[in-house]
Amino acid sequence: AQTVTQSQPEMSVQEAETVTLSCTYDTSESDYYLFWYKQPPSRQMILVIRQEAYKQQNATENRFSVNFQKAAKSFSLKISDSQLGDAAMYFCAYRSGNNAGNMLTFGGGTRLMVKP
Amino acid sequence: NAGVMQNPRHLVRRRGQEARLRCSPMKGHSHVYWYRQLPEEGLKFMVYLQKENIIDESGMPKERFSAEFPKEGPSILRIQQVVRGDSAAYFCASSPLTVEGTIFGSGTRLTVV
Repeated sequence: AQTVTQSQPEMSVQEAETVTLSCTYDTSESDYYLFWYKQPPSRQMILVIRQEAYKQQNATENRFSVNFQKAAKSFSLKISDSQLGDAAMYFCAYRSGNNAGNMLTFGGGTRLMVKP
Repeated sequence: NAGVMQNPRHLVRRRGQEARLRCSPMKGHSHVYWYRQLPEEGLKFMVYLQKENIIDESGMPKERFSAEFPKEGPSILRIQQVVRGDSAAYFCASSPLTVEGTIFGSGTRLTVV
């Protein structure tokens, strides 16, 4: 079974600064997808960024980018120019690419606080 | 397009009562997933359904929990004889043929008193 680990329960960043959230995962599969979700206090799960394992290029979405290290099974999220609205819980998630199941496996989350 | 609609948003039940959580998937989505989030934890997969079929229920507790996605109407997650440990946020998500388009609802927070 796949597992996803987020080793940082809480992180803090100054507004306009850059912060990196860590995620590691364990799998024996070669084809899979990785995701970062944001959960603000409203509880809504919002997809931030997605990475296909077969792609070597790191995904980027505006201020959000990932550092995908397939051999190390690491998938960190970098938030540049942090804004107050970035404060939320962030969850890393894994999905198998073999169509055996479409469910997501989530890490335990990292609470990001943004200081003005 | 209203997205994934879950109701109620909050549900309070006394121990021993039944809880029914409803989920209307996004228009055009034929796959529904239910997840449970305990306080200060990540989401845990419970069940994956397509219309009239349970595809994977490996995350469902063996007793008291059931789910359905009928041909017409919303998907229902039913919890019978609720206990305090069932208190959690329950999220529904839907996707088209591939999970890349997975959209989450806002969740139902169940409180058992």
